[in-house]
Order: sequence, then C-alpha cells, then structure tokens
Amino acid sequence: GQNIDQPTEMTATEGAIVQINCTYQTSGFNGLFWYQQHAGEAPTFLSYNVLDGLEEKGRFSSFLSRSKGYSYLLLKELQMKDSASYLCAVMDSNYQLIWGAGTKLIIKP
Amino acid sequence: DGGITQSPKYLFRKEGQNVTLSCEQNLNHDAMYWYRQDPGQGLRLIYYSQIVNDFQKGDIAEGYSVSREKKESFPLTVTSAQKNPTAFYLCASSIVEGFSQPQHFGDGTRLSIL
Repeated sequence: GQNIDQPTEMTATEGAIVQINCTYQTSGFNGLFWYQQHAGEAPTFLSYNVLDGLEEKGRFSSFLSRSKGYSYLLLKELQMKDSASYLCAVMDSNYQLIWGAGTKLIIKP
Repeated sequence: DGGITQSPKYLFRKEGQNVTLSCEQNLNHDAMYWYRQDPGQGLRLIYYSQIVNDFQKGDIAEGYSVSREKKESFPLTVTSAQKNPTAFYLCASSIVEGFSQPQHFGDGTRLSIL
C-alpha cells in the first residue's frame, strides 16, 4: 500500500529552527508537496520538490532524497504565526496526491 | 481576487437527509477536487474532475455524488448512504490534473450530524 509518515506533533521555541520529517512509500513518484494548515482553515502551498536536493524560500526550505523516500521541511527564525499543521503530500504514478496526516507544530515564546 | 469559495462554512445534516456543499472557483482552473479531512488522518480524495461534464471517483466515493456542469463549479452531495458524514470537507482546484501543479484550497465546510 501507499504510506506517508510524519510525526504527529512537535514543539519548538520562537526564534529557533525546526525540522519536520516526512517519509513515503508510494507507487511511483511525481513530486512532493508541503502545505501549511492553520486550525479550521484551508491548506496553503509552501513548496514542491521533484529532484533531490534543497529548495529554499525565505525562512522555509524543503529537502528531498528520492532514493531514501525522505523529505524534510526546515523552518528558521520561528514566529508564533508558524504554529500550524504541516502536511506532506506525494504525487504518485497516477498523478494523485497521497497525503500524510500532518504534523502539528506548537511554537512557545 | 481569484480564489475558491466554499459554502456554507458549517452544515448540519439530519438523519436520512441529503446535503449539498458548494464549491466555486474563479481561477480558471481545469481540475477540481473534493477531499475529506478527519482528525489524525491525511486528506482523502472523494471525487475529482479534469474537465466539464466529466469526473472520477477517488478513494472514498461511496455515499457521495458530484456534478461538473460548469468549469467554475463542482458541488458535492453527501447522501443519506454516507453513514459517517461528520468531517471537514475541502474543495481544491489546480491548473491541470496530471501535472505537478499545486492544488489551491477553499476554506472548507464542516459537516455535522444533528
């Protein structure tokens, strides 16, 4: 079967750095997406990786290793507004998105 | 401003009742999707559509129905056959299904049973 694993919850301190991991086993691979979702709101797109390596976008970076079936989202200079769930999703060989359950990130002052 | 509008934000269903969730987009996207989100689970695909008058079942289509009569609109009906409808429903759209384009989401409809 297809599977996406992420930690359920993480806690970090304002101003610090946090890394949220995602491992996947899917039938085929056409890219990996990271989304941010505040409670009760719509998920918003953060990043997309299809080749191995690091993609940087301001305070957020995303890394992919296709051989290891692994990605991480790195958040720097954490702000209170970064408290949210972070969703990892992989596009499989049928171009369908397979979603992880999300990682709830709690930022403490 | 372009975006996806879902309505209503909250919806209550009585036993044996069908309810319809609205989803409208003005992004000129070809592909539209309906997902269900339950606590502790990833988003699960209910139905998707790549083009007007055509749609396909997702992983959990039983108890749901859709239509795509206009490019902008993709309503979801939760029928009485869906025995556990309480969930957060998200509608999304993207430029073209089958290419690695991000999906854009509406603000969701929270459905509960009375």
